[in-house]
Amino acid sequence: EPEVTQTPSHQVTQMGQEVILRCVPISNHLYFYWYRQILGQKVEFLVSFYNNEISEKSEIFDDQFSVERPDGSNFTLKIRSTKLEDSAMYFCASSYRTGGATKNIQYFGAGTRLSVL
Amino acid sequence: SQQGEEDPQALSIQEGENATMNCSYKTSINNLQWYRQNSGRGLVHLILIRSNEREKHSGRLRVTLDTSKKSSSLLITASRAADTASYFCATAPSNAGGTSYGKLTFGQGTILTVHP
Repeated sequence: EPEVTQTPSHQVTQMGQEVILRCVPISNHLYFYWYRQILGQKVEFLVSFYNNEISEKSEIFDDQFSVERPDGSNFTLKIRSTKLEDSAMYFCASSYRTGGATKNIQYFGAGTRLSVL
Repeated sequence: SQQGEEDPQALSIQEGENATMNCSYKTSINNLQWYRQNSGRGLVHLILIRSNEREKHSGRLRVTLDTSKKSSSLLITASRAADTASYFCATAPSNAGGTSYGKLTFGQGTILTVHP
């Protein structure tokens, strides 16, 4: 069964450093998302991406964050200057479409645990 | 309370018993989805129910949706130890035209423990 792949599974970085989290969405999917989950808290939406541009972003997704689809398969989340509070599990998801049909289902990767020291 | 609030926060049952989790939300939705998360792992989609549906079944799962009360419930029948996980409801909001923007808003989740 197709799956969303995220690398690395765990990333440790120093405060102020840039990190890039990588995702390979399911190949025929058109919509891509990043979410994050701070330990013990709910999963929070960061950004959605469609047709090579951001379609929606949350308040969390400030100028320090950016997303890119550099080629036909990868989808990346970059944090320019990490802060302690960026420590969280980051999930990538993809869906074929939006709306109420089953093709709206978002498939999630296993996540990248980001630890900012 | 925030969009997508589940209760109870934690539920502990014996294998074979049924588990019921509830979710409430605040805004208009296009659909509501339930996800499962094993400890430290990713989210696995369980079931999607559209705003014009009232009940849906999938295997041992039964989901209900009451849009007038803005609430949903997930019932897992004949639970197994392998069902031990966190369960989240997630809502996809609708715009004025009734379609969805795709963004999911998750609740805090219910931690289900099924004892063998």
